[in-house]
Amino acid sequence: GENVEQHPSTLSVQEGDSAVIKCTYSDSASNYFPWYKQELGKRPQLIIDIRSNVGEKKDQRIAVTLNKTAKHFSLHITETQPEDSAVYFCAASKGNQFYFGTGTSLTVIP
Amino acid sequence: GAVVSQHPSWVICKSGTSVKIECRSLDFQATTMFWYRQFPKQSLMLMATSNEGSKATYEQGVEKDKFLINHASLTLSTLTVTSAHPEDSSFYICSEAQGSHEQYFGPGTRLTVT
Repeated sequence: GENVEQHPSTLSVQEGDSAVIKCTYSDSASNYFPWYKQELGKRPQLIIDIRSNVGEKKDQRIAVTLNKTAKHFSLHITETQPEDSAVYFCAASKGNQFYFGTGTSLTVIP
Repeated sequence: GAVVSQHPSWVICKSGTSVKIECRSLDFQATTMFWYRQFPKQSLMLMATSNEGSKATYEQGVEKDKFLINHASLTLSTLTVTSAHPEDSSFYICSEAQGSHEQYFGPGTRLTVT
């Protein structure tokens, strides 16, 4: 089955700096890679996603890059704000089954 | 996006009892729903895929007799934790899939077994 690894597990940045979270996956058939933001005790919320036929996608301060050959993808958050503080999960999917990374706890220091 | 609800949001039960968690799709007829569990500060672990009108597909290591899943209608899937024990205490989240990829998560159910 699919194995998704995520790094780092915790990340602290100063407000205004950039944050980068990286994930690798094992199944080359995976073709959809969403990123979720989860606040404590709440449901995961989709923040950005990328499909395997695209190398990069950007939405305002958030961007995702995908390297299919190396089987890794990354989340980039620029100009971080305190409200960006949360746990972020990457996932890899083929069809409807999602496999999540272990999560990154991001803290943005005002 | 889709609206998915779960009930209850938090349940406390005694060891040995069974607990049923409901997952409802409020605006979409979902033929497939998913159940995850999440331990504190850990990732979401896929437990099973719930298919309307047929048996659920369980992930390796998940006991199907312990975690009973029923998907009797296009808008309702239930997860019953049978003979619950303290180690079953966790956050249980369902989701539904729309289209080819996107999943929408319910708000989760926090189960505490004493």
